[in-house]
Amino acid sequence: NAGVMQNPRHLVRRRGQEARLRCSPMKGHSHVYWYRQLPEEGLKFMVYLQKENIIDESGMPKERFSAEFPKEGPSILRIQQVVRGDSAAYFCASSPGAPSGNTIYFGEGSWLTVV
Amino acid sequence: KNQVEQSPQSLIILEGKNCTLQCNYTVSPFSNLRWYKQDTGRGPVSLTIMTFSENTKSNGRYTATLDADTKQSSLHITASQLSDSASYICVVSLGHGGSQGNLIFGKGTKLSVKP
Repeated sequence: NAGVMQNPRHLVRRRGQEARLRCSPMKGHSHVYWYRQLPEEGLKFMVYLQKENIIDESGMPKERFSAEFPKEGPSILRIQQVVRGDSAAYFCASSPGAPSGNTIYFGEGSWLTVV
Repeated sequence: KNQVEQSPQSLIILEGKNCTLQCNYTVSPFSNLRWYKQDTGRGPVSLTIMTFSENTKSNGRYTATLDADTKQSSLHITASQLSDSASYICVVSLGHGGSQGNLIFGKGTKLSVKP
């Protein structure tokens, strides 16, 4: 029973390039969340998605960031024209139902370094 | 403002000793409180989740308490082991419903267990 799978685990991008982070939720989970964690900081919510729908994107920067969770395939967090400040760990999480009252399971994270 | 404050920021203890981590929150309306363990370079792993009516919940050597009146929670670790070295994150869920934007994360307490 695989957990939340994220790839790549580590990604290096030059300023101005695009970064694509992928997340496959646990089997049977249709709710996916993305978080960002800066060094020595807590996790910050970015976006909550269900299949083909964005439920809450209040934590997403207005520009350059987008997320999707298509009917088939993994959820994708896309960062266009990356800048040094985008360097962080990006965690995906999933749950079987709505987040209130449900345990949320995290992946191992994708570490983005912008050089 | 909805906030979750954890103390101490960091803690060093000897193997075999007990310790208690604190979490104070100013989150309203309250839905539930969760403790997660995050090893360095890994994703958070759920330890406990407690609703308003639950005062204590155990998971092996981990025991969480909740005082909803004073808005305080603690995580007690008994007979610590080297593998307990990690960050422990307190997370409070707002009672608005399904939006993931309603999970408020603390910055964590970094625990180091020394032999």
